[in-house]
Amino acid sequence: DAGITQSPRYKITETGRQVTLMCHQTWSHSYMFWYRQDLGHGLRLIYYSAAADITDKGEVPDGYVVSRSKTENFPLTLESATRSQTSVYFCASSELRQGGGSPLHFGNGTRLTVT
Amino acid sequence: GQNIDQPTEMTATEGAIVQINCTYQTSGFNGLFWYQQHAGEAPTFLSYNVLDGLEEKGRFSSFLSRSKGYSYLLLKELQMKDSASYLCAAMDSNYQLIWGAGTKLIIKP
Repeated sequence: DAGITQSPRYKITETGRQVTLMCHQTWSHSYMFWYRQDLGHGLRLIYYSAAADITDKGEVPDGYVVSRSKTENFPLTLESATRSQTSVYFCASSELRQGGGSPLHFGNGTRLTVT
Repeated sequence: GQNIDQPTEMTATEGAIVQINCTYQTSGFNGLFWYQQHAGEAPTFLSYNVLDGLEEKGRFSSFLSRSKGYSYLLLKELQMKDSASYLCAAMDSNYQLIWGAGTKLIIKP
């Protein structure tokens, strides 16, 4: 089925551990994004990618690493998890960088808890 | 700085009409999006406005005034399934999206 899938849906980890959140899309969209969503805040952009091997920082990149070796995959790694990274993480893709109203298509999210 | 303001929560009655307002301040402007997000789910796209005026899509309409930095989402004939958060996002001159914190809409029978 076409779409964008994230895994895992839920993850509990300990402070200091490395965690990788996976994102896979089947549309061959050029752009992919990682957001975090916290109560009282709008969606905040962590990193985005315009194409394979092209990534750029968003609003809140510290403590995160991304890679994009293939167009369809865009994993997000927390190198050493902290409690402040407890959040819901959404991966999204779009055909364009939203010029002309190209909407974001979101995955179902990963709820991450850092203890 | 760049900013989006929308009410935190609204309550409305099934079958009624509700208007959710959004004001924005951005460096340049390349359009405004509305998304719907049910609790525990992903946001889904509702509408996009880049020119002044009203865009209608079934029970949902979205309005934009660029001169006032203002948009609203109008929901008619409210149904219980419309209970959700509604996210407003404005695109700046660098095509970055600036997101509001969302408006939680509660529908009562």
